[in-house]
Amino acid sequence: NAGVTQTPKFRVLKTGQSMTLLCAQDMNHEYMYWYRQDPGMGLRLIHYSVGEGTTAKGEVPDGYNVSRLKKQNFLLGLESAAPSQTSVYFCASRSPTGGPGYEQYFGPGTRLTVT
Amino acid sequence: EDQVTQSPEALRLQEGESSSLNCSYTVSGLRGLFWYRQDPGKGPEFLFTLYSAGEEKEKERLKATLTKKESFLHITAPKPEDSATYLCAVRAAGGTSYGKLTFGQGTILTVHP
Repeated sequence: NAGVTQTPKFRVLKTGQSMTLLCAQDMNHEYMYWYRQDPGMGLRLIHYSVGEGTTAKGEVPDGYNVSRLKKQNFLLGLESAAPSQTSVYFCASRSPTGGPGYEQYFGPGTRLTVT
Repeated sequence: EDQVTQSPEALRLQEGESSSLNCSYTVSGLRGLFWYRQDPGKGPEFLFTLYSAGEEKEKERLKATLTKKESFLHITAPKPEDSATYLCAVRAAGGTSYGKLTFGQGTILTVHP
């Protein structure tokens, strides 16, 4: 049981390049989330999904797109990377009813640098 | 707008020196207050969920408490392995963001041997 995994772990992009971050979970969770973490700002929600085929915007969605074609996978895309998107990206998942605290389980993160 | 403020930003303790971390929050109806631990280069790891004022939860040297305006994470006789960033988050009632958490900026705890 791997929990939540993210690929890649590190990536360097040039301004204007595109890339996709992959999140996979093997806990059969319905809900999945993408966050970014920046120094002094805490974790901020980018997009989320409440089930296969459904996505919604979080608090900082601009410049990102997502897709949830399979229940276990949640993809985060950057179509044209900008230096302001340099950050550490975390994926999380949870069950809508499972877990005593409805807690979210986080992946190990992807460190993205845009030059 | 939901807000979470953690203090202090950084805390240095000697091994065995007990202390507390603070999480102040404003939210329109609290559905849960969460504490996470985050080690360098890793994702947040769930510690506790608190639901109502007066509730307390313990795990090893950690004890979390909740009032109507803030939560405390008490660390008793800390060890160097307790060094990490501790994150607080709240989940508000209602809304359309299912399970959306609002996080504080974290407290960096360093415990010296």
